[in-house]
Order: sequence, then structure tokens, then C-alpha cells
Amino acid sequence: SQQGEEDPQALSIQEGENATMNCSYKTSINNLQWYRQNSGRGLVHLILIRSNEREKHSGRLRVTLDTSKKSSSLLITASRAADTASYFCAPYSSASKIIFGSGTRLSIRP
Amino acid sequence: DTAVSQTPKYLVTQMGNDKSIKCEQNLGHDTMYWYKQDSKKFLKIMFSYNNKELIINETVPNRFSPKSPDKAHLNLHINSLELGDSAVYFCASSQDTGGAYEKLFFGSGTQLSVL
Repeated sequence: SQQGEEDPQALSIQEGENATMNCSYKTSINNLQWYRQNSGRGLVHLILIRSNEREKHSGRLRVTLDTSKKSSSLLITASRAADTASYFCAPYSSASKIIFGSGTRLSIRP
Repeated sequence: DTAVSQTPKYLVTQMGNDKSIKCEQNLGHDTMYWYKQDSKKFLKIMFSYNNKELIINETVPNRFSPKSPDKAHLNLHINSLELGDSAVYFCASSQDTGGAYEKLFFGSGTQLSVL
């Protein structure tokens, strides 16, 4: 099993700015997923990128994956107050379970 | 309808007590999980069941016993509660295990406080 490690641990930006979070992992994967956790809630799946994909978009989200560097990034464009949450990456392979790190805590300042 | 529901949302109890947390999913998924989130927000997998059979059992004290009466339910029973058991426990489900497109659906969590 392997765990994604998110960086930075905390990020505070002004509303309207873009937020970028990074994820690193150690072994080969089938896919990598990003989840969001609002305070006091469970995780919600945001986006999944397969190992043969390099970039994926969903609304204001953009995810990149570099399997040679074993890293991924999540970009949230034009941030809103509602984006305030913790964001977790989850590298997944059929040989392992989905294991999460401690996430990136994103705060959007009005 | 809530896809993955767990009860209770809050649980406050004394050390040494036995307690249960219930989880139900109405998504028709084959696999269910229990995760524990500690105070530093790390989410650790505890158990996974596929069609009522245990497939993942991480290094969890045997005071924790999952029970899956059917594939829509995965309950967690904890004996002799300890202070260190205080955490938020999340139930989750997914369509299958081992698939390249698998994603998890989470309940809203049970905050357990052991006094």
C-alpha cells in the first residue's frame, strides 16, 4: 500500500486567485484521485486521473499527473469561499488500498 | 437519500465501555470500508469488506470488530474503549475492489470521544 503526501500542508489565498496543491507518491499506480473534505464532513470525490493520462479538467479543477516524477497537482481556478476545505490525494493501484495523507488545508480569504 | 449513512454522528463515552457505530449504503456497492481520522487529519484504513467478506484488516487492535450482515451494511463494534480511540470514524463504499476506476463514497463521520 502507499500513501499520497500532499504539499503544502496549509494554503491561504484571496478569493478569486488560483490554488495549487501537489501530491507525491512512491510506487506505480493505476490512477490517482483527489478528494475534498469540508469541515465536519466526509470526503467527497473530485476527480480521477488514470496513469496513462497527463491532464484532466472538471469545471474549475485541473489535475496533472507526471508518472515519471510520481507526482500530481490539483489546480483550482478562480477560487471561491466555498472552496475552503481540506484536499486529499489518493494514489491507487490494484495491488494496494486507497490510503490518504493528511491533506492540504485550503483557506479562501474574502 | 443519503448514499452512505452512519450513526451516530457523535458518540461520547467512558473508558472501558463497549460501543457500536452503524453504516449503511444504498448505492448497491460491493465493497465497504472503515477509516479512522486522527487529530492530525490522517485518514487510515481499518477494514474493508467485499460482499460481506473481510478483505482488508490493517493493524487494528482486536478490540475493533467489524460486522457485515449483508453487503449494504458494515457495522463497527469497539470493546473496552481507550482514550486513544478518540477520533472520527468514516464509513465508505465503492463499486468493487481492484478496478482502475474505483472511487470511494464516504459517510459524514462519527466523532468518538472517550473520556
